[in-house]
Amino acid sequence: DTEVTQTPKHLVMGMTNKKSLKCEQHMGHRAMYWYKQKAKKPPELMFVYSYEKLSINESVPSRFSPECPNSSLLNLHLHALQPEDSALYLCASSQGTGFPPGYGYTFGSGTGLTVV
Amino acid sequence: AQKITQTQPGMFVQEKEAVTLDCTYDTSDPSYGLFWYKQPSSGEMIFLIYQGSYDQQNATEGRYSLNFQKARKSANLVISASQLGDSAMYFCAMRPIIQGAQKLVFGQGTRLTINP
Repeated sequence: DTEVTQTPKHLVMGMTNKKSLKCEQHMGHRAMYWYKQKAKKPPELMFVYSYEKLSINESVPSRFSPECPNSSLLNLHLHALQPEDSALYLCASSQGTGFPPGYGYTFGSGTGLTVV
Repeated sequence: AQKITQTQPGMFVQEKEAVTLDCTYDTSDPSYGLFWYKQPSSGEMIFLIYQGSYDQQNATEGRYSLNFQKARKSANLVISASQLGDSAMYFCAMRPIIQGAQKLVFGQGTRLTINP
């Protein structure tokens, strides 16, 4: 299994809703990432988990709350979002230890989020 | 700090022609990896090719090759014999070669359109 699976593929939520995005990988990767991508822009890093511990938070607002319950699963909990948070949310994983040449990140297909 | 620059917002190429997508970078890290990703309209980031800063030879993967000129800090992607399915957004990216989970920094991307 050489892929990262993200669910749901699409999500529409109101500004008062609470929802969660899910990301799963079974490649034994020990680093997992959340990226946010606005239309026609490059992905921007939000969070990095290394060995299930949060190692990088790129000053993301607290309405986004990441969670890594185990080495295969990464969640992003959403609460009180704003319309400007509408974007494609990409999950990725990598080996996380050393640097295996040539493989970098493996990305999921993303969750397209619309906040209304 | 790392920076990736892609100066071509869009490119239009006839099918079966070769195409070069430009990428220049700036970094203070002594060792680094350079990546190219393809993002079709479906949203998934697809890994294409990797070049390590200490690799002596330019990387090749099928129809993809990377023209790496370290002194000029450029890592251009060459796609030979372009196909209609190559139409997509292409991102150049970089990360340092050090232990642990590291941020992958992206350029602004180039939208490639292959015309029949």
